Amino acid sequence: NAGVTQTPKFQVLKTGQSMTLQCAQDMNHEYMSWYRQDPGMGLRLIHYSVGAGITDQGEVPNGYNVSRSTTEDFPLRLLSAAPSQTSVYFCASSSPAGNTEAFFGQGTRLTVV
Amino acid sequence: AQKITQTQPGMFVQEKEAVTLDCTYDTSDPSYGLFWYKQPSSGEMIFLIYQGSYDQQNATEGRYSLNFQKARKSANLVISASQLGDSAMYFCAMGGNFNKFYFGSGTKLNVKP
Repeated sequence: NAGVTQTPKFQVLKTGQSMTLQCAQDMNHEYMSWYRQDPGMGLRLIHYSVGAGITDQGEVPNGYNVSRSTTEDFPLRLLSAAPSQTSVYFCASSSPAGNTEAFFGQGTRLTVV
Repeated sequence: AQKITQTQPGMFVQEKEAVTLDCTYDTSDPSYGLFWYKQPSSGEMIFLIYQGSYDQQNATEGRYSLNFQKARKSANLVISASQLGDSAMYFCAMGGNFNKFYFGSGTKLNVKP
C-alpha cells in the first residue's frame, strides 16, 4: 500500500550540479505531476504528465526536465541546480476519472548551496 | 488563468469550537473541482474534502464541510469541534483540465486548549 513514493527525502546540492528526483506510484494513475513549495507559499505546478510519453509544462517549468517512460514513474531532473531551486518538491498522482483528489508523496527537501 | 486566494495567513480557534477558513477562486473553466488539503508540521499533504463545480449540495466529510457559493466563487472550509490535532497549514486548491492543481498560499490554523 505504498501510494506515491519519492526519493530522496533530503538532498543538498552545490550550484551547478545535476540530480534527479525520483517519483513512483503503484495506483495505476494516468496523471502525474511535480510541484514545488516555497516558504509562505502554496504548491506551484512545475510539470505534469497525462500518460506515458506525454508531458507538458506547468506554471514554473524553467530549470527542470521531465520524462514519462512508464505509467509508474515520473522523474524530475535538475540539469544545473541554482540556489533559487531550494524548495520542497512534491510529486502527485491522480486518476483521470473526473475531478479526483491528487495523492501526494512525502516530499523532497532540496537545498542548493 | 486559474487563481486561488486565501486571505487568512493565520487563525486561532479554541478547542471544541468551529472555525471557517476562507477560499476564493477564479477560473473560466466550466468544470472544475475544489479541494482542501491539510499539511501538518511533518510536511505531508493530506486530502480532506472535495467539491465539484456542478455539485448541488455542499460536501461534508466527518467534521469537515465545504461551504460552496458558486456565484461568489468561494469554497470555504468549515471545521467543527476543533481538536488540537487540527493545528496545521490548510491549503485550498482547484483542479481543472488534466487534474492540474492550483493552490492558495495557505492558512495556518492554531487550536488552543
